[in-house]
Amino acid sequence: DAGITQSPRHKVTETGTPVTLRCHQTENHRYMYWYRQDPGHGLRLIHYSYGVKDTDKGEVSDGYSVSRSKTEDFLLTLESATSSQTSVYFCAISVGSGSNTGELFFGEGSRLTVL
Amino acid sequence: TQLLEQSPQFLSIQEGENLTVYCNSSSVFSSLQWYRQEPGEGPVLLVTVVTGGEVKKLKRLTFQFGDARKDSSLHITAAQTGDTGLYLCAGILTGGGNKLTFGTGTQLKVEL
Repeated sequence: DAGITQSPRHKVTETGTPVTLRCHQTENHRYMYWYRQDPGHGLRLIHYSYGVKDTDKGEVSDGYSVSRSKTEDFLLTLESATSSQTSVYFCAISVGSGSNTGELFFGEGSRLTVL
Repeated sequence: TQLLEQSPQFLSIQEGENLTVYCNSSSVFSSLQWYRQEPGEGPVLLVTVVTGGEVKKLKRLTFQFGDARKDSSLHITAAQTGDTGLYLCAGILTGGGNKLTFGTGTQLKVEL
């Protein structure tokens, strides 16, 4: 199994504060993703990375930034958290066999509450 | 507007019953996947289908990809309490690179 660690697993913060979520993988997979999961919306892609310093926006990227300075780490930053960013955030890596089927392996999630 | 619509949104059945979950779109997908998610955990991949009309079986679960590659279904035979969870379909649009789009999800509860 691919090893993914998300931290922190739970965080409560106040509106306007910056927040950084970390995703760490142990197997040098090229593609990494950040999703948020909210009731009624399923999983929505925030940002993704296709290599060190190579990132691109997903469908709900406003208010979020990402960085990938090492293959194993993908950071998601909320520059100024808002209550609408209260959600469960999932990191994922693409573990497909090279045929671009995009099969994802997910971390356990980070639950963020913005008061 | 959600690209992938799942139905039903919620399903509560008795153990031993059969059920079908649908995943529909007006767009064409190069591949489609089904995941299951349990509370407090990330989604776990069940199956990937890539060919129009393809049928895959995983024990009591049968997955089908529509001929036009716009829809998919998941059929569970003789449901068990261990099948309880959130079922998510997800697909890569034709020409969509490596970005996976998820459906809205179907929450299944199987009771004794």
